Amino acid sequence: EAQVTQNPRYLITVTGKKLTVTCSQNMNHEYMSWYRQDPGLGLRQIYYSMNVEVTDKGDVPEGYKVSRKEKRNFPLILESPSPNQTSLYFCASSTLGGGSYNEQFFGPGTRLTVL
Amino acid sequence: RKEVEQDPGPFNVPEGATVAFNCTYSNSASQSFFWYRQDCRKEPKLLMSVYSSGNEDGRFTAQLNRASQYISLLIRDSKLSDSATYLCVVNWGGSGNTGKLIFGQGTTLQVKP
Repeated sequence: EAQVTQNPRYLITVTGKKLTVTCSQNMNHEYMSWYRQDPGLGLRQIYYSMNVEVTDKGDVPEGYKVSRKEKRNFPLILESPSPNQTSLYFCASSTLGGGSYNEQFFGPGTRLTVL
Repeated sequence: RKEVEQDPGPFNVPEGATVAFNCTYSNSASQSFFWYRQDCRKEPKLLMSVYSSGNEDGRFTAQLNRASQYISLLIRDSKLSDSATYLCVVNWGGSGNTGKLIFGQGTTLQVKP
């Protein structure tokens, strides 16, 4: 089954404790992206990757790191989480082609609480 | 001005009604436009891409107006199952594939019996 998986789905942690949220897709997509969703603010892009070893900042990259060592995986790293990073996080992937963007497939989301 | 702007609603309509949402975008270089549907904090799912000539999929019609920099979504004969939040998505544009995608805040639709 074609899908994007995220782990963990729910996480409660404390300020300053490094964490990684994994994202994996089995569709051989070039493009992957991380978003956070907050009430009243909608989805905001954190980082995106156009292909292996190619990453770039979205709208709200501060406090986050990513890497794209393999095509299927795009982990999101919070080196020192803070309470303002409490949010619902989505990973997504899509193909790229013809200079345009195609349907993004989203993972089920990770609900993160930083105390 | 926000990069992508939507009226958050909620839009409360009776079953069978026709409802339309607009979404404005600020970057005239944007090239790709989409409508996504999101149910109750679940993952967004593509409803339809928006093409320059406009496109229709059953009860749903999407249009793009480049001159005024907005896209629209029209839903005819609303069903209870159409109740959801509709997200407008625009790529940031510029030279090359910048990869940056901007989501609107979303418009909430409630269809009542």
